[in-house]
Order: sequence, then structure tokens, then C-alpha cells
Amino acid sequence: KNEVEQSPQNLTAQEGEFITINCSYSVGISALHWLQQHPGGGIVSLFMLSSGKKKHGRLIATINIQEKHSSLHITASHPRDSAVYICAVRWRGGADGLTFGKGTHLIIQP
Amino acid sequence: KAGVTQTPRYLIKTRGQQVTLSCSPISGHRSVSWYQQTPGQGLQFLFEYFSETQRNKGNFPGRFSGRQFSNSRSEMNVSTLELGDSALYLCASSLGLAGGNNEQFFGPGTRLTVL
Repeated sequence: KNEVEQSPQNLTAQEGEFITINCSYSVGISALHWLQQHPGGGIVSLFMLSSGKKKHGRLIATINIQEKHSSLHITASHPRDSAVYICAVRWRGGADGLTFGKGTHLIIQP
Repeated sequence: KAGVTQTPRYLIKTRGQQVTLSCSPISGHRSVSWYQQTPGQGLQFLFEYFSETQRNKGNFPGRFSGRQFSNSRSEMNVSTLELGDSALYLCASSLGLAGGNNEQFFGPGTRLTVL
């Protein structure tokens, strides 16, 4: 079964720290998504990657296709970054929709 | 531009009943995907519709069905509800097929509780 694994599951950090969340997947993909979910359920799409690196504000996402690995970085973290971050992939062939990791629950303390 | 809307936002049903959830995509988006989120299983793909046709389907029983209308609005139906169907149901829209690596925009979800 094709799988997506995220680490860590839970992360508590102090305001201002540099945060890294990792995502590994088992077979070839056509795209990888990073999503953010706040309490209450709403999901926001942060990045969609098929190669390289993308940056938006304090968020940076990278992907290494050969290693089957992606990272989401948050620079100068802030309490408002507290949320669940979810990695999702579309397997090459794309017949099964997105497959999601279990998420990383991030808490940034002031 | 209005975002993805889902109705109702909250729903309580009893076992054996059926339920219909609605999703209105962003104007101009032709693809709607549905997902189920539970504490135990996390997010799981249900199905994807594009131009009124189901294009992909996840690993869910036939009690879960859906359709898409000519205006791209979509409904999903769950018949013979079970306790395990209690979940947050999310829909997401995109310009083209999600398999074409189009960015997906999520709605706020419908929280279904089955008693």
C-alpha cells in the first residue's frame, strides 16, 4: 500500500524558532501538497510542489524527488502558526485522488 | 471571489438514515473532490467529479455516492448511516482535474454526527 509518513507527529516550540516538518512517501508522485488546518477544521493549501523549492512569506517548502522526501520550514515562528500541517501526495498515474499523511500538530508558545 | 461553500455546516443523524451534503465550488472551477476526516483514519479521499462525471473514487463502500451538476455544484450522499460515518466531510475545488496537479481550494467542511 502506498504510504505518506510525516514527522514529527507533535512539535512544541518557542516563538521565533526555525521549524522543520518532514514528509516521506513510498513511490513516485506527480505532485506533493502542504496543507494547514486550524482548530475548527478549515484547510488552507500552502504549497503544491513537483520539484525544487517554493517560498511564500516565512514558509519554505522543498522536495527531493530522488529521495522521495519533502520538508516544510517556518522561519521566525509565531503563535499564529500553531496548526496541524498535513502533507498530501498524488501518486504518479493519479487514479486515487490525494493520499494524506497523518499531520504534524505544531504549537508555538509565546 | 467567493470561496468554496458547504452546506450544512453541522448535521446530526441517527443510524440507518441517509444524508446529503452539498458543495459549491469557486466560480469557474470544474473539479470537485470530496474527503472524509476522522480522528482515527485522518483525511481520506472519497471521490472526484469533473464536468459532471466521476473521475476517481477512493476505497469507500457503495453507501457513499455523489454527483455533480452542470453548474459544477456537487452533492454527496451517504445511505444507511453507521456510527463510523461520523466525521468532517470536506470538499475541495480546482480549475482542472486534481490529477492535472491543479491547486485545490477547500471548503469549511460539514461535521456529521451519527447517533
